[in-house]
Amino acid sequence: DIQMTQSPSSMSASVGDRVTITCRASQSISMYLNWYQHKPGNAPKLLIYTSTTLQSGVPSRFSGSGSGTDFTLTISSLQPEDFATYYCQQSFSTLYTFGQGTRLEIK
Amino acid sequence: EVQLLESGGGLVHPGGSLRLSCAASGFPFSSYAMSWVRQAPGKGLEWVSAISGSGGGTYYADSVKGRFTVSSDSSTNTLFLQMNNLTVEDTAIYFCAKQGRYYFYGMDVWGQGTTVTVSS
Repeated sequence: DIQMTQSPSSMSASVGDRVTITCRASQSISMYLNWYQHKPGNAPKLLIYTSTTLQSGVPSRFSGSGSGTDFTLTISSLQPEDFATYYCQQSFSTLYTFGQGTRLEIK
Repeated sequence: EVQLLESGGGLVHPGGSLRLSCAASGFPFSSYAMSWVRQAPGKGLEWVSAISGSGGGTYYADSVKGRFTVSSDSSTNTLFLQMNNLTVEDTAIYFCAKQGRYYFYGMDVWGQGTTVTVSS
């Protein structure tokens, strides 16, 4: 199975900060990498698919980049509603796998 | 409006069985692959299983292979997950999710989840 590793596991930041979360795959997955936001008690929300494509309705402050094994999710200017846990997920293999998550907290 | 509504969760003893359902509406159900994803208490998201839109292809995580069976009924637009030989490690919130236009487009619609507790 393809292993996905995110860093950091948790971080704190302030409203207005620029934040970057990284995700590394255990083998090349081309651009088959998706990002999700998850808040407690809610359903996960797809933010970005195939590494760089913004899901409809997602604010443009979210962006993704990368290919092969290394990927990043960037939030250009943190808003109060962005404090949540973020997950990457590979869809190169139909045996999908998620990263362990990055918990983004308010500083 | 595209909606997914899970049901069937509950408390079950180790070794027991449970069948989860996910009622889909607002989209052509048989045109999209579907997945089950779970979140154990205090843990992250774990993909469990997927099924192609036609129902002809099924996929499982190693942790549930041989114990769980995914299926779908296009006449009722319902996704199922039959869970057998449950262990305490299967305790989690179970979400159903719709795949995007192509299977690699991510899971673009999610239900609110149903809770499964395996305990003696």
